[in-house]
Amino acid sequence: DTGVSQDPRHKITKRGQNVTFRCDPISEHNRLYWYRQTLGQGPEFLTYFQNEAQLEKSRLLSDRFSAERPKGSFSTLEIQRTEQGDSAMYLCASSLALGADSPLHFGNGTRLTVT
Amino acid sequence: QKEVEQDPGPLSVPEGAIVSLNCTYSNSAFQYFMWYRQYSRKGPELLMYTYSSGNKEDGRFTAQVDKSSKYISLFIRDSQPSDSATYLCAMSEGGGNKLTFGTGTQLKVEL
Repeated sequence: DTGVSQDPRHKITKRGQNVTFRCDPISEHNRLYWYRQTLGQGPEFLTYFQNEAQLEKSRLLSDRFSAERPKGSFSTLEIQRTEQGDSAMYLCASSLALGADSPLHFGNGTRLTVT
Repeated sequence: QKEVEQDPGPLSVPEGAIVSLNCTYSNSAFQYFMWYRQYSRKGPELLMYTYSSGNKEDGRFTAQVDKSSKYISLFIRDSQPSDSATYLCAMSEGGGNKLTFGTGTQLKVEL
């Protein structure tokens, strides 16, 4: 499978704990995006990278959230001191940069449950 | 008011019906328009990708974009039970750029 891969698929954690998610994009894609989706809503943009550079962060991304893409390949999203409001599906997507025919392709997400 | 508005449904149709799904938007800078299909507990799957105004057809699916009205549509012909899913419209200012999504319309195609 050469699509976007996310791990783990589901994470249950207690409030106050830290969690980290991983995303492996499509290999030739140099843009990588993180989105958050809550029940009954469309995905909301969190942040994106072009290669290893983080170019934009949404105001939704509080100081407890940090994302990295150290070598321009896979990316991690860490949430510190989780809160119940962080419960959501975290989606990763990748695309080619500034391509006219370069839509975003999504992984199957990591579902986070904070108890 | 949200940048992209989409009726959440649910929409229930009999098998074989023609389905019409729609979104309106307010940002005139949007140039690229997409429709994604999302099954329960899965990520969004790209269905249609169009640039600017016009129509695009792919099998049973037709996407229409009317930039003058800020209105996009997805038509599904000969709908099947396997089409039952949530359909998300999405749009961006540039190719490969971040997307702004609608809330999604839940579709159920019944036998």
